Amino acid sequence: AQSVAQPEDQVNVAEGNPLTVKCTYSVSGNPYLFWYVQYPNRGLQFLLKYITGDNLVKGSYGFEAEFNKSQTSFHLKKPSALVSDSALYFCAHSNDYKLSFGAGTTVTVRA
Amino acid sequence: SAVISQKPSRDICQRGTSLTIQCQVDSQVTMMFWYRQQPGQSLTLIATANQGSEATYESGFVIDKFPISRPNLTFSTLTVSNMSPEDSSIYLCSVVFGTGGYEQYFGPGTRLTVT
Repeated sequence: AQSVAQPEDQVNVAEGNPLTVKCTYSVSGNPYLFWYVQYPNRGLQFLLKYITGDNLVKGSYGFEAEFNKSQTSFHLKKPSALVSDSALYFCAHSNDYKLSFGAGTTVTVRA
Repeated sequence: SAVISQKPSRDICQRGTSLTIQCQVDSQVTMMFWYRQQPGQSLTLIATANQGSEATYESGFVIDKFPISRPNLTFSTLTVSNMSPEDSSIYLCSVVFGTGGYEQYFGPGTRLTVT
C-alpha cells in the first residue's frame, strides 16, 4: 500500500535553532508529496509540495523541504525556528488528488 | 485567496440523531473532499464529493452513514447519520482549485461531539 510515515511523534527545539520534521514515503511511481500544518483550534494549512522539478522546495512561513529519492524521504526544515512554529505537522501524499496523511508530528519550540 | 467556510463550527449531539455540515467556497473549485480527524489522530478521507452525481466513498465509509451532496461548484454538505459517540471527530472539507496544482485547501473544520 502506498503511504507516508512520520517516525517522530514529537520534536522539541529551542527558538533560533534549526527545525527538522521527518517524513518517509512508500509510493510507486512519481510521488506527489505535501506538508501541512495544523495550529491549535485552526484548520489545516498548506505549507509546500513536491510534484516534480527541483528537489528543494520552498514554502510558506520560511519552511522548505528536500525530496530525496534514494532515501525515499521528504523532510521539512526551517533554519531558525520560532515559538509560533509550535503546531502539529502532517506529511501527505496524493494519489489521483486524494490525500493520505502521516500520523503527524507535534513540534514544540521553546523560548 | 479563496475563503472556505464550514457550518456549524462545532456541535454537541445526542446519539441516534443526524447532523448536516455545510462547506461553502467563495469561488468555483474543481474538486471537493470530506475528511475526518478523530481525537488525537490524523486525517482520513471519507469521500470525494462529485458535482451532480453520487459521491465516491473510501473503504470503510458508506453512503447510508455519510450521505454527501454537491449541487454546484462551490457548495457541499456532509451528513453524519444515526450518530454514536465513535463519530465524535473533527470533520473537514477540502477543495482543489484548477487541475494542475494538486494541493488541497481546507476549511476550518466542524468539531462534533456525540453524547
